[in-house]
Amino acid sequence: GEDVEQSLFLSVREGDSSVINCTYTDSSSTYLYWYKQEPGAGLQLLTYIFSNMDMKQDQRLTVLLNKKDKHLSLRIADTQTGDSAIYLCAEDSSASKIIFGSGTRLSIRP
Amino acid sequence: DTGVSQDPRHKITKRGQNVTFRCDPISEHNRLYWYRQTLGQGPEFLTYFQNEAQLEKSRLLSDRFSAERPKGSFSTLEIQRTEQGDSAMYLCASRGAISETQYFGPGTRLTVL
Repeated sequence: GEDVEQSLFLSVREGDSSVINCTYTDSSSTYLYWYKQEPGAGLQLLTYIFSNMDMKQDQRLTVLLNKKDKHLSLRIADTQTGDSAIYLCAEDSSASKIIFGSGTRLSIRP
Repeated sequence: DTGVSQDPRHKITKRGQNVTFRCDPISEHNRLYWYRQTLGQGPEFLTYFQNEAQLEKSRLLSDRFSAERPKGSFSTLEIQRTEQGDSAMYLCASRGAISETQYFGPGTRLTVL
């Protein structure tokens, strides 16, 4: 079946890098996404990667895709307090829907 | 602001009442989606329209739920005889024919007392 798994919590020190991991099940997914959700706010698309790529960099964000292992990661360099949020991994399993993970809550220690 | 709007943003209702939510997608987008998000979970797919045709419905969408997109533009989601378990954030998203992703609205938060 379709499933996206990610760890629930991550705590990092301000200025360090954060790495959030995700596994997915649908090998036919065309796109894989990272969304950011802050309390009371909607979903903000952070970045996405096309399934035939293995890496994408966008300023402080680096996405790595291991299609063989169905593993996706998001690295945030120089993590700041404003990065505190829930990060949701998602796969585009078909034209009809996106399948989301439960989200990883990132907290930043001073 | 993604360009997808939802109304109302918040709705409090008593158990057993009917509620209706509206979504206005980005104007040139032909695909429209509804999702539900409960606390501590990611959004779960409910249903999908291409133009005015409803092409897929999740089994989460019980017979108390109905969605329409009569002219292929805005959409409504109605919940009849609401239950406390219906309390959630209801998210709408739209996607163009060549878009790489769906664009989400701010959501309607439903509280059933």
